[in-house]
Amino acid sequence: DSGVTQTPKHLITATGQRVTLRCSPRSGDLSVYWYQQSLDQGLQFLIQYYNGEERAKGNILERFSAQQFPDLHSELNLSSLELGDSALYFCASSPRQGSAYEQYFGPGTRLTVT
Amino acid sequence: SQKIEQNSEALNIQEGKTATLTCNYTNYSPAYLQWYRQDPGRGPVFLLLIRENEKEKRKERLKVTFDTTLKQSLFHITASQPADSATYLCALMNNNAGNMLTFGGGTRLMVKP
Repeated sequence: DSGVTQTPKHLITATGQRVTLRCSPRSGDLSVYWYQQSLDQGLQFLIQYYNGEERAKGNILERFSAQQFPDLHSELNLSSLELGDSALYFCASSPRQGSAYEQYFGPGTRLTVT
Repeated sequence: SQKIEQNSEALNIQEGKTATLTCNYTNYSPAYLQWYRQDPGRGPVFLLLIRENEKEKRKERLKVTFDTTLKQSLFHITASQPADSATYLCALMNNNAGNMLTFGGGTRLMVKP
């Protein structure tokens, strides 16, 4: 158990809908990262937050947005969903903003868009 | 363009042998390189981190080497066990990219008893 929690575990929704994925980092970790993993694309970095502020962006679509709240939990919002958004979404956390720190991944949310 | 390449073919070895996985990269200047293990349907689990000025790092049966001239990292599991069967991902962290981790596609290791 990494100490990172994600809800829900599974989500099935229809195209065009909007969903929110939630992540609670390990106690004391200030950095939160979101990743998307699909069969054909591998594990792709989406976005990073550090202590409430956005710090880095990867290949995140404009239909996707995220935020980190004062209690450090984070939410990833996915809107106007398409079939291709079906994937595993992982959240990870690390103690501080520094590249020497390993990342701790949550169990993921499996999103299925039908 | 930047690339991280891991052997996409599964590596099949016999229990007790040493498994060696390769991670090659181009157009990166990584300060750190990390290795993760991922089991099906689960989140990656951190294994080892090696810095650019370190040649080798060990942890129990695991060993990682980092050659910034060859732009390559090797990941070794000695005395492999069936429980080591998983996908192993290498990841690069570039200090100039907001500590973003970029992952390779992973290599699936199968250890047969």
